Amino acid sequence: QVTLKESGPGILQPSQTLSLTCTFSGFSLSTYGMGVGWIRQPSGKGLEWLANIWWDDDKYYNPSLKNRLTISKDTSNNQAFLKITNVDTADTATYYCARLVGVSVMDAWGQGASVTVSS
Amino acid sequence: DIQMTQSPSFLSASVGDRVTINCKASQNINKYLNWYQQKLGEAPKRLIYNTNNLQTGIPSRFSGSGSGTDYTLTISSLQPEDFATYFCLQHNSFPFTFGSGTKLEIK
Repeated sequence: QVTLKESGPGILQPSQTLSLTCTFSGFSLSTYGMGVGWIRQPSGKGLEWLANIWWDDDKYYNPSLKNRLTISKDTSNNQAFLKITNVDTADTATYYCARLVGVSVMDAWGQGASVTVSS
Repeated sequence: DIQMTQSPSFLSASVGDRVTINCKASQNINKYLNWYQQKLGEAPKRLIYNTNNLQTGIPSRFSGSGSGTDYTLTISSLQPEDFATYFCLQHNSFPFTFGSGTKLEIK
Protein backbone atom coordinates (compact mmCIF):
# COMPACT_ATOMS: atom_id res chain seq x y z
CA GLN A 1 0.00 0.00 0.00
CA VAL A 2 1.34 3.40 -1.01
CA THR A 3 1.03 6.21 1.54
CA LEU A 4 2.45 9.72 1.66
CA LYS A 5 2.29 12.29 4.43
CA GLU A 6 3.35 15.90 4.37
CA SER A 7 4.67 17.85 7.31
CA GLY A 8 5.57 21.49 7.70
CA PRO A 9 5.74 24.40 10.12
CA GLY A 10 2.05 25.31 9.99
CA ILE A 11 2.68 29.03 10.21
CA LEU A 12 5.63 31.23 9.30
CA GLN A 13 6.38 34.88 8.73
CA PRO A 14 6.97 36.71 5.45
CA SER A 15 10.53 36.47 4.11
CA GLN A 16 11.20 33.20 5.94
CA THR A 17 12.01 29.88 4.27
CA LEU A 18 9.31 27.24 4.15
CA SER A 19 10.57 23.68 4.64
CA LEU A 20 8.26 20.79 3.85
CA THR A 21 8.81 17.05 4.26
CA CYS A 22 7.04 14.23 2.46
CA THR A 23 7.39 10.88 4.23
CA PHE A 24 6.21 7.95 2.17
CA SER A 25 5.92 4.19 2.22
CA GLY A 26 5.08 1.47 -0.28
CA PHE A 27 7.65 2.53 -2.84
CA SER A 28 11.28 3.61 -3.02
CA LEU A 29 12.87 6.61 -4.64
CA SER A 30 15.81 4.39 -5.51
CA THR A 31 13.60 2.38 -7.89
CA TYR A 32 13.82 3.14 -11.59
CA GLY A 33 11.00 5.39 -12.75
CA MET A 34 9.82 6.54 -9.35
CA GLY A 35 9.46 10.15 -8.35
CA VAL A 36 7.73 12.56 -5.98
CA GLY A 37 6.01 15.76 -6.95
CA TRP A 38 4.84 18.75 -4.91
CA ILE A 39 1.60 20.59 -5.58
CA ARG A 40 -0.15 23.36 -3.66
CA GLN A 41 -3.68 24.66 -3.38
CA PRO A 42 -4.71 27.97 -1.81
CA SER A 43 -7.93 27.68 0.13
CA GLY A 44 -10.91 27.54 -2.22
CA LYS A 45 -8.73 27.73 -5.32
CA GLY A 46 -7.16 25.47 -7.91
CA LEU A 47 -4.04 23.34 -7.95
CA GLU A 48 -0.54 24.50 -8.85
CA TRP A 49 2.29 22.11 -9.64
CA LEU A 50 5.57 23.13 -7.97
CA ALA A 51 8.35 20.60 -8.56
CA ASN A 52 9.26 16.96 -9.25
CA ILE A 53 12.22 14.85 -8.23
CA TRP A 54 13.03 11.47 -9.78
CA TRP A 55 14.86 8.31 -8.73
CA ASP A 56 17.96 9.46 -10.63
CA ASP A 57 17.89 12.88 -8.86
CA ASP A 58 16.58 14.61 -11.96
CA LYS A 59 14.58 17.69 -10.91
CA TYR A 60 11.99 19.93 -12.52
CA TYR A 61 10.63 23.19 -11.19
CA ASN A 62 7.76 25.49 -11.98
CA PRO A 63 9.40 28.56 -13.51
CA SER A 64 6.62 30.79 -12.11
CA LEU A 65 8.32 30.49 -8.74
CA LYS A 66 11.62 31.39 -10.32
CA ASN A 67 14.56 30.44 -8.14
CA ARG A 68 12.69 30.14 -4.86
CA LEU A 69 12.22 26.36 -4.95
CA THR A 70 14.59 23.57 -3.99
CA ILE A 71 13.51 19.91 -4.09
CA SER A 72 15.58 17.10 -2.63
CA LYS A 73 15.29 13.54 -1.34
CA ASP A 74 16.59 11.15 1.29
CA THR A 75 16.23 7.75 -0.29
CA SER A 76 17.32 5.76 2.73
CA ASN A 77 14.60 7.33 4.91
CA ASN A 78 11.87 7.44 2.23
CA GLN A 79 11.51 11.20 2.34
CA ALA A 80 11.33 14.05 -0.13
CA PHE A 81 11.68 17.71 0.73
CA LEU A 82 10.69 21.07 -0.68
CA LYS A 83 12.04 24.44 0.36
CA ILE A 84 10.53 27.75 -0.68
CA THR A 85 12.55 30.82 0.13
CA ASN A 86 11.34 34.35 0.85
CA VAL A 87 7.69 33.41 1.41
CA ASP A 88 4.86 35.90 1.42
CA THR A 89 1.11 35.72 1.99
CA ALA A 90 0.58 34.39 -1.55
CA ASP A 91 2.33 31.19 -0.46
CA THR A 92 -0.44 30.42 2.02
CA ALA A 93 -1.88 27.12 0.85
CA THR A 94 -2.26 23.41 1.46
CA TYR A 95 0.83 21.65 0.16
CA TYR A 96 0.58 18.11 -1.20
CA CYS A 97 3.14 15.56 -2.26
CA ALA A 98 2.26 12.86 -4.76
CA ARG A 99 3.92 9.79 -6.23
CA LEU A 100 5.16 9.73 -9.79
CA VAL A 101 5.59 6.44 -11.62
CA GLY A 102 7.09 6.95 -15.04
CA VAL A 103 4.37 8.44 -17.23
CA SER A 104 1.69 7.47 -14.71
CA VAL A 105 2.03 10.57 -12.63
CA MET A 106 0.40 11.61 -9.38
CA ASP A 107 -1.43 8.37 -8.70
CA ALA A 108 -1.30 8.69 -4.91
CA TRP A 109 -1.37 11.84 -2.82
CA GLY A 110 -0.73 12.74 0.77
CA GLN A 111 -3.40 14.32 2.95
CA GLY A 112 -1.81 17.76 2.61
CA ALA A 113 -0.07 20.16 4.99
CA SER A 114 -1.63 23.53 5.67
CA VAL A 115 0.80 26.45 5.61
CA THR A 116 -0.07 29.99 6.58
CA VAL A 117 2.25 32.93 5.96
CA SER A 118 1.38 35.79 8.26
CA SER A 119 3.12 38.54 10.16
CA ASP B 1 3.23 27.01 -20.54
CA ILE B 2 0.28 24.89 -21.65
CA GLN B 3 -3.01 26.42 -20.56
CA MET B 4 -5.81 24.04 -19.60
CA THR B 5 -9.29 25.47 -20.08
CA GLN B 6 -11.80 23.40 -18.15
CA SER B 7 -15.57 23.62 -18.62
CA PRO B 8 -18.04 24.02 -17.18
CA SER B 9 -16.92 25.62 -13.90
CA PHE B 10 -20.16 24.57 -12.22
CA LEU B 11 -22.50 21.77 -13.07
CA SER B 12 -25.82 21.00 -11.44
CA ALA B 13 -27.12 17.48 -12.02
CA SER B 14 -29.27 14.76 -10.53
CA VAL B 15 -28.52 11.24 -9.38
CA GLY B 16 -28.63 9.01 -12.43
CA ASP B 17 -27.70 11.73 -14.91
CA ARG B 18 -24.91 11.36 -17.44
CA VAL B 19 -22.46 14.26 -17.25
CA THR B 20 -19.41 15.33 -19.19
CA ILE B 21 -16.59 17.64 -18.18
CA ASN B 22 -14.15 19.02 -20.71
CA CYS B 23 -10.56 20.18 -20.74
CA LYS B 24 -9.02 21.94 -23.68
CA ALA B 25 -5.26 22.34 -23.89
CA SER B 26 -3.59 25.28 -25.59
CA GLN B 27 -1.49 22.81 -27.57
CA ASN B 28 -1.27 19.08 -28.26
CA ILE B 29 -0.65 17.16 -25.03
CA ASN B 30 -0.37 13.70 -26.60
CA LYS B 31 -2.99 12.13 -24.33
CA TYR B 32 -0.98 12.88 -21.18
CA LEU B 33 -4.11 13.97 -19.36
CA ASN B 34 -5.32 12.82 -15.93
CA TRP B 35 -8.63 13.43 -14.16
CA TYR B 36 -8.98 13.89 -10.39
CA GLN B 37 -11.86 14.08 -7.98
CA GLN B 38 -11.58 16.20 -4.85
CA LYS B 39 -14.01 16.35 -1.97
CA LEU B 40 -14.00 19.13 0.59
CA GLY B 41 -11.05 18.87 2.93
CA GLU B 42 -9.58 15.85 1.14
CA ALA B 43 -6.66 15.25 -1.19
CA PRO B 44 -7.35 14.80 -4.89
CA LYS B 45 -8.04 11.24 -6.00
CA ARG B 46 -6.94 10.09 -9.44
CA LEU B 47 -9.80 8.69 -11.52
CA ILE B 48 -8.35 8.43 -15.01
CA TYR B 49 -4.77 8.56 -16.26
CA ASN B 50 -3.35 9.16 -19.71
CA THR B 51 -6.76 10.05 -21.15
CA ASN B 52 -8.66 6.79 -20.86
CA ASN B 53 -7.08 4.46 -18.30
CA LEU B 54 -9.28 3.82 -15.30
CA GLN B 55 -7.47 3.96 -11.96
CA THR B 56 -7.68 0.72 -10.01
CA GLY B 57 -10.65 0.74 -7.68
CA ILE B 58 -12.54 3.50 -9.49
CA PRO B 59 -16.06 2.55 -10.66
CA SER B 60 -16.54 1.90 -14.35
CA ARG B 61 -19.15 4.67 -14.60
CA PHE B 62 -16.14 6.99 -14.92
CA SER B 63 -14.49 7.11 -18.33
CA GLY B 64 -12.19 9.39 -20.26
CA SER B 65 -11.62 10.16 -23.89
CA GLY B 66 -9.87 12.59 -26.16
CA SER B 67 -6.79 13.36 -28.14
CA GLY B 68 -4.72 16.29 -29.28
CA THR B 69 -6.04 19.29 -27.38
CA ASP B 70 -9.54 18.14 -26.36
CA TYR B 71 -10.36 15.76 -23.51
CA THR B 72 -13.52 14.64 -21.76
CA LEU B 73 -14.43 13.00 -18.48
CA THR B 74 -17.79 11.22 -18.54
CA ILE B 75 -19.76 9.95 -15.58
CA SER B 76 -22.38 7.64 -17.02
CA SER B 77 -24.83 7.58 -14.12
CA LEU B 78 -24.23 9.96 -11.25
CA GLN B 79 -24.20 8.53 -7.76
CA PRO B 80 -24.58 10.54 -4.56
CA GLU B 81 -20.88 10.11 -3.74
CA ASP B 82 -19.86 11.68 -7.07
CA PHE B 83 -20.79 15.20 -6.07
CA ALA B 84 -17.39 16.82 -5.75
CA THR B 85 -14.92 18.99 -7.65
CA TYR B 86 -13.09 17.57 -10.66
CA PHE B 87 -9.73 18.69 -12.08
CA CYS B 88 -7.74 17.78 -15.14
CA LEU B 89 -3.93 17.70 -15.23
CA GLN B 90 -1.69 17.80 -18.28
CA HIS B 91 1.72 16.15 -17.82
CA ASN B 92 2.92 16.20 -21.40
CA SER B 93 5.38 18.99 -20.74
CA PHE B 94 6.73 21.12 -17.95
CA PRO B 95 5.38 22.96 -16.14
CA PHE B 96 2.55 20.53 -15.46
CA THR B 97 -0.71 22.47 -15.40
CA PHE B 98 -4.16 21.85 -13.98
CA GLY B 99 -7.58 22.87 -15.17
CA SER B 100 -9.43 25.34 -12.97
CA GLY B 101 -11.92 22.76 -11.76
CA THR B 102 -15.57 21.80 -12.17
CA LYS B 103 -17.79 21.80 -9.12
CA LEU B 104 -20.50 19.18 -9.54
CA GLU B 105 -23.51 19.91 -7.38
CA ILE B 106 -26.77 18.17 -6.70
CA LYS B 107 -29.74 19.66 -8.55
